[in-house]
Amino acid sequence: GEDVEQSLFLSVREGDSSVINCTYTDSSSTYLYWYKQEPGAGLQLLTYIFSNMDMKQDQRLTVLLNKKDKHLSLRIADTQTGDSAIYFCAEGKTSYDKVIFGPGTSLSVIP
Amino acid sequence: EPEVTQTPSHQVTQMGQEVILRCVPISNHLYFYWYRQILGQKVEFLVSFYNNEISEKSEIFDDQFSVERPDGSNFTLKIRSTKLEDSAMYFCASSEGGLGARGTQYFGPGTRLTVL
Repeated sequence: GEDVEQSLFLSVREGDSSVINCTYTDSSSTYLYWYKQEPGAGLQLLTYIFSNMDMKQDQRLTVLLNKKDKHLSLRIADTQTGDSAIYFCAEGKTSYDKVIFGPGTSLSVIP
Repeated sequence: EPEVTQTPSHQVTQMGQEVILRCVPISNHLYFYWYRQILGQKVEFLVSFYNNEISEKSEIFDDQFSVERPDGSNFTLKIRSTKLEDSAMYFCASSEGGLGARGTQYFGPGTRLTVL
């Protein structure tokens, strides 16, 4: 079945890079997403990558996709205290299909 | 930038009461969704809606739940007789559909439902 897994917690020092890892099971997933949720807030679409891509860079964010291993990662360069949040990895088969979320990784940035 | 909006931000209700959660999707979007997140748990899919009908629903979406797009702009989720376990954050999402970036889902800020 469809499942997305992530480590639950990550703690980094301000200025360091953060790497959040995710694995998924559905090889037919076309869309792979990263959403950010700040305390008490909604889900903000951070970035996404299509399954036919290996990498996508967007300012401080780099997404790497290893389709063979069904492994997705999000790297945040120069992590700031404002990056403290829960980061959800998610997958979708098609543009209109439901999105399956991982449990979220709680990122804590230590000043 | 266009965004999905939801009202109310917080709803408190008594068990057994009906609630209606409201969403205004992004105006040119065609696909609409409801998800929920029980405190401390994963975000779970409830239902998808396209062309005025349900496309897919999860096993959570039982007969107590219904969705409607009453006027071409609002998208509502109704829970007929709320239970304690319905307490959660409910997220609405919408998507333009189509290929590439047009297929990404954008989420609203959520409605926190508390059933007492």
